[in-house]
This record gives sequence, C-alpha cells and structure tokens, in this order.
Amino acid sequence: AQKVTQAQTEISVVEKEDVTLDCVYETRDTTYYLFWYKQPPSGELVFLIRRNSFDEQNEISGRYSWNFQKSTSSFNFTITASQVVDSAVYFCALSEALRSGNTPLVFGKGTRLSVIA
Amino acid sequence: DTAVSQTPKYLVTQMGNDKSIKCEQNLGHDTMYWYKQDSKKFLKIMFSYNNKELIINETVPNRFSPKSPDKAHLNLHINSLELGDSAVYFCASRQGRVAPLHFGNGTRLTVT
Repeated sequence: AQKVTQAQTEISVVEKEDVTLDCVYETRDTTYYLFWYKQPPSGELVFLIRRNSFDEQNEISGRYSWNFQKSTSSFNFTITASQVVDSAVYFCALSEALRSGNTPLVFGKGTRLSVIA
Repeated sequence: DTAVSQTPKYLVTQMGNDKSIKCEQNLGHDTMYWYKQDSKKFLKIMFSYNNKELIINETVPNRFSPKSPDKAHLNLHINSLELGDSAVYFCASRQGRVAPLHFGNGTRLTVT
C-alpha cells in the first residue's frame, strides 16, 4: 500500500530564511509519481511539481527546489529566501502507476509553514 | 475560464438534512474525484469516476452517493447529514492515471 509521511506538522521561520519540508514515501511499485501541492490560507490547492520515479534529477524553479532520493524514499522541498507569501500548508502526494485501474493521489498530512516578517 | 468549479462554496445545514454539492470541469479530463479535508487538513480520497464509471469507492458511509451524468460532471449527494460530515470537500479532475490533479476551490460543509 502506498503511504506518504510528512513528519513536520508545523514550521515557523523568519523571512529570508531557507526552509526544507520533508516528505518520505512508501510504495511497492517501481513506477510512481510524486507531487507537491500548496494550500494558502485562502484554501485552494495549487499544484507545484510532479516527478516520476525514474527521474532523480533535482529540480529548481525560482526560489523552490526539490530533492528526490530513491535510496531514502524521500522527496524534499526547499524554499530559499522565504517570503511571507510562502505561508501555507504544503502537501506531498504519491500516485502509483499500476498497469490497470486508476490510483488516486495519496496525500501526506501536510506541513504548515509560517513565515514571519 | 478553464477550471474545476464547485458549488456551493459554503453550505450550512442541520443534522438529518440531505444536501448536494455540484462539480463541473471544462478541462476535457476523463477522471474526476471527490476528496474530503477534515479539520486537521488531512486530505482523503472518497470517490473516483473515469468516463462516468465508478472506479474507486473508499470506505465512505453509503449516505454519500456520487453521481456522474457525463464525464464533465461529478456531483456528491449526502443523505441524513451528521455532525462528523463537517469538512471541506474538494472535487478534482485529471487526464489519465498519473497527471497532476486539478482541484476545485472546495465546499465548506458545516453541519449543526
């Protein structure tokens, strides 16, 4: 069965600090996809990134970067020079790519990030 | 605008009532979902429909019944509402099995 663990329930940082949100996953599939979503205080769920299990290259998008390591089953998310607008709940999610059927995204419990000015 | 839209945004009702939440997507996606987000922000899959066919039905009370009149719509009907049904319900859609989910803005259901 698939499982996603986000051990950090809440993190608080001062603006301009770097912060890393941890995500550890479990799956028996060799082919799977990992996702990060952001949920700002307004409540909508915003897609940030998708990574497949065969691509371990790190990815950078502006102040956001993601570190995927199959050896430790982790897909961590780093925000560099954090800003108040980064304050949100961040979810890591996993989708197994089975040969048949339709597997939903399974979400971690989320990490609430508060960036203080 | 292309999007996943849910109505209503807020729903306040009393225990025992029956209510519906509507969802429509104009993205041309073939799969739609209902997720429930509880007060602790935990997101849990409830149902999944692929081309109007029920694919996933997690352990959800049978008071909850999804209905998909066509592949662009997935409505959620809830009978005999209970206090524990209070949550935010998100509709989502995607194309295929591994694409990102596109979420609606959620419906906050409050049962008093």
